[in-house]
Amino acid sequence: DGGITQSPKYLFRKEGQNVTLSCEQNLNHDAMYWYRQDPGQGLRLIYYSQIVNDFQKGDIAEGYSVSREKKESFPLTVTSAQKNPTAFYLCASSRIDRAEEKLFFGSGTQLSVL
Amino acid sequence: KNQVEQSPQSLIILEGKNCTLQCNYTVSPFSNLRWYKQDTGRGPVSLTIMTFSENTKSNGRYTATLDADTKQSSLHITASQLSDSASYICVVRSAADSWGKLQFGAGTQVVVTP
Repeated sequence: DGGITQSPKYLFRKEGQNVTLSCEQNLNHDAMYWYRQDPGQGLRLIYYSQIVNDFQKGDIAEGYSVSREKKESFPLTVTSAQKNPTAFYLCASSRIDRAEEKLFFGSGTQLSVL
Repeated sequence: KNQVEQSPQSLIILEGKNCTLQCNYTVSPFSNLRWYKQDTGRGPVSLTIMTFSENTKSNGRYTATLDADTKQSSLHITASQLSDSASYICVVRSAADSWGKLQFGAGTQVVVTP
């Protein structure tokens, strides 16, 4: 099956702890993205990457970090500097050869603070 | 201020009935507009993508319209089914934004009742 796999589905973070959310795609897409979704708000871009070993900050990058060592993988680390991490996190991927390229989303990770 | 506003925030409809969701945007210059369907606890799935030159696009029982002059779009659901219960998200891309950025509305929550 082609698609995007996010894990875990649910994650709990203790105060002062860093946690890493996994995102893997087998669609051969160049671009990958991380979004944060809070109730009643639109998705907000955290980081995105168009190519291996390169990524750009989105609108709310503070307290988060990413890496793109392989085309298929784009893990997101929520650091202890992110004071309000409770949210639904969505990973997405797309081709980049046209402005109308569809985003394909994973099924999300719900992060909560203990 | 959010550049993509959706209305209503939520609605309840009877199975078999039609409904129309609205999206107003201020994003400029315009590149394309997308509608996504998001089931609870899942990632969004693309329904339609429209560029400036397209004013109607259908995907099964979903029909999207676009008026780029008034910066309005609508999503019409025909003969609703219980499986249409979801959040519907309007997303707009500006031709001026850096490549990875999209503007997301907060979504309209649709509940279809038997």
